[in-house]
Amino acid sequence: NAGVTQTPKFRILKIGQSMTLQCTQDMNHNYMYWYRQDPGMGLKLIYYSVGAGITDKGEVPNGYNVSRSTTEDFPLRLELAAPSQTSVYFCASRGHKEADTQYFGPGTRLTVL
Amino acid sequence: AQKITQTQPGMFVQEKEAVTLDCTYDTSDQSYGLFWYKQPSSGEMIFLIYQGSYDEQNATEGRYSLNFQKARKSANLVISASQLGDSAMYFCAMREGLGGGADGLTFGKGTHLIIQP
Repeated sequence: NAGVTQTPKFRILKIGQSMTLQCTQDMNHNYMYWYRQDPGMGLKLIYYSVGAGITDKGEVPNGYNVSRSTTEDFPLRLELAAPSQTSVYFCASRGHKEADTQYFGPGTRLTVL
Repeated sequence: AQKITQTQPGMFVQEKEAVTLDCTYDTSDQSYGLFWYKQPSSGEMIFLIYQGSYDEQNATEGRYSLNFQKARKSANLVISASQLGDSAMYFCAMREGLGGGADGLTFGKGTHLIIQP
């Protein structure tokens, strides 16, 4: 099993450009998450999903959009990139049991210039 | 108020010594879960250990144990016999509410642990 995969690994955007960060999991998990990690900080929740067709906002959703058309995929969309969105983005998924941990992807390092 | 507080921004420890990383949390929920993750310089997030709020025993996973003091709202990570490969950032995180829910994790700011030979 590949677990949680993310593409791309690195990306540089110009202010105002748009892009989609891809996330795929092969563990048949219903719950999926997007986090961002700013330098020297912990992760903050952007959006999450409880299953195909259902998404909800986390702590820092402004400037982002998500969709969940399948169980496996949970893409994150940046419509008008801003320097404040320079960060490392992590996708995660987990099962539904109480002790189930979140499995993280390798991350996408995004720089907005 | 911060929900997860890690008061040690950085720590230097001699190899083979035990190390305790502090974590205090704040929640009004009766049901919650506490997690520790390791983030090496390569950047990935590695799950270490989990403690449920109703678990009566402290969690252990190999060299990792969690010193859970519910009344004090603390969940310190203990690493026994530290190794050079333990050098990394360590994050404490909490999931509030019923464990079967989809709630995301709230993370602390982390502790940068450096193991010295």
